[in-house]
Amino acid sequence: DADVTQTPRNRITKTGKRIMLECSQTKGHDRMYWYRQDPGLGLRLIYYSFDVKDINKGEISDGYSVSRQAQAKFSLSLESAIPNQTALYFCATSDQAGGIYEQYFGPGTRLTVT
Amino acid sequence: AQSVTQPDIHITVSEGASLELRCNYSYGATPYLFWYVQSPGQGLQLLLKYFSGDTLVQGIKGFEAEFKRSQSSFNLRKPSVHWSDAAEYFCAVGAYSGGGADGLTFGKGTHLIIQP
Repeated sequence: DADVTQTPRNRITKTGKRIMLECSQTKGHDRMYWYRQDPGLGLRLIYYSFDVKDINKGEISDGYSVSRQAQAKFSLSLESAIPNQTALYFCATSDQAGGIYEQYFGPGTRLTVT
Repeated sequence: AQSVTQPDIHITVSEGASLELRCNYSYGATPYLFWYVQSPGQGLQLLLKYFSGDTLVQGIKGFEAEFKRSQSSFNLRKPSVHWSDAAEYFCAVGAYSGGGADGLTFGKGTHLIIQP
C-alpha cells in the first residue's frame, strides 16, 4: 500500500461548488503539505501543518482552507471553486529525521472546475 | 524569500548521451536542495538531496548533482541517459523557520525528451 494516499484521484466540479480533497499517510510523519501544480509553473505551496494544532499559509492560500483532523490526515477544501483552481494537487509529508528532511509526495489529484 | 530558476524549459538529448540540467537558487542561508523527477501521469520522486558536506551528491537512477555555493547552482547530471529518463525534472530549495520545515520552493521544471 502507498504511504501517502490522496482521494479522489480525479474530480470534475462546477464553479461555485464546495469540494474537499483528502490526504492520508501511514509514514508516521508529523509534517504535511498541500501543493498545486500548473503547467509551466512548477509546484506552489498552498498550506502546511507541523501538527494538528499548527496550520500555516503557504504562497497561494487564498481561496483554500485546510483541516488537520489527525496526525495522519490533512484535507484541502475549496469553499467555492473557480475555474482557475483547475490544477493537479499534491499532498506531501516530511519528517526531520537526522537533521535533513525530504518530502514524500502522494500520487496527486487532478481537479477540473468547469 | 527563496527562489529557484531552471533556465531550460525543454531539453532534448540522444539516448546514451550525457545530460546536465541547470538549477540556480536564491536563499539567504545554507540551503537544503533537492531534485525531483515526475514521470508522465505520476507523482514526484526524490532523486537526490543536499544539505551539507560533500558538494557532489549521488542519487538514484545514476544521477548526481553538484552544489556550487559561489554560483548558487545545483546542477543535475547523468553520464548516459536512457529512454526511461524522459520526464519532468524539478529543482527545489527548502525553507525553514524556527519550528521546522516550511515547505519547498520549486523551479518551474525542465522537460527532458530523449531521442532514439
